[in-house]
Amino acid sequence: SQKIEQNSEALNIQEGKTATLTCNYTNYSPAYLQWYRQDPGRGPVFLLLIRENEKEKRKERLKVTFDTTLKQSLFHITASQPADSATYLCALGAMDSNYQLIWGAGTKLIIKP
Amino acid sequence: EAQVTQNPRYLITVTGKKLTVTCSQNMNHEYMSWYRQDPGLGLRQIYYSMNVEVTDKGDVPEGYKVSRKEKRNFPLILESPSPNQTSLYFCASRHLGFGTHGQYSATNEKLFFGSGTQLSVL
Repeated sequence: SQKIEQNSEALNIQEGKTATLTCNYTNYSPAYLQWYRQDPGRGPVFLLLIRENEKEKRKERLKVTFDTTLKQSLFHITASQPADSATYLCALGAMDSNYQLIWGAGTKLIIKP
Repeated sequence: EAQVTQNPRYLITVTGKKLTVTCSQNMNHEYMSWYRQDPGLGLRQIYYSMNVEVTDKGDVPEGYKVSRKEKRNFPLILESPSPNQTSLYFCASRHLGFGTHGQYSATNEKLFFGSGTQLSVL
């Protein structure tokens, strides 16, 4: 079956360190992958998009990598801050899903002061 | 300000009492979608619309209806709500991927979400 997996356990990181979140997928031929941030009780907010032919994308302290061989995307936050604490969702767009985004369940990130 | 507006923010109702959750966007987006979010399951798509008068089922359409009579509005209708429809609902919108000059870019397909509607069906 087709699915997107993110770590279901919360990730605890010390302030100032790099946080790395993982998104794995199976049985899709992705066109692109998106990352969103979601705060409790709020709608997800778009952060970054990476296309299937791109290896890496950066935006300020954020970096996303995409390895279509491993079927995995990594999301990095460098110099993490308590304000980065949130749930991070990955979503994959693929031709075989008619480009309707397929969502992971999200990983909760906690940055401790 | 560019935004997707959902109402109401919270709703408690009883089984079988018809309800409508409204969604409106001011970004002239062609595409609109409804999702429900349940713990551990992530976002699941209910219905989506690629343009006015064009709607399609998502992954979990049973028990829901939608309409797209105007580009900016995409209401979600529960004709006879049941307790298993208790959930957090999100409306979202985006462009179809073609910018103002007709060129395609996946970046145009980032979703804008509303603030959510927490629905409880007793």
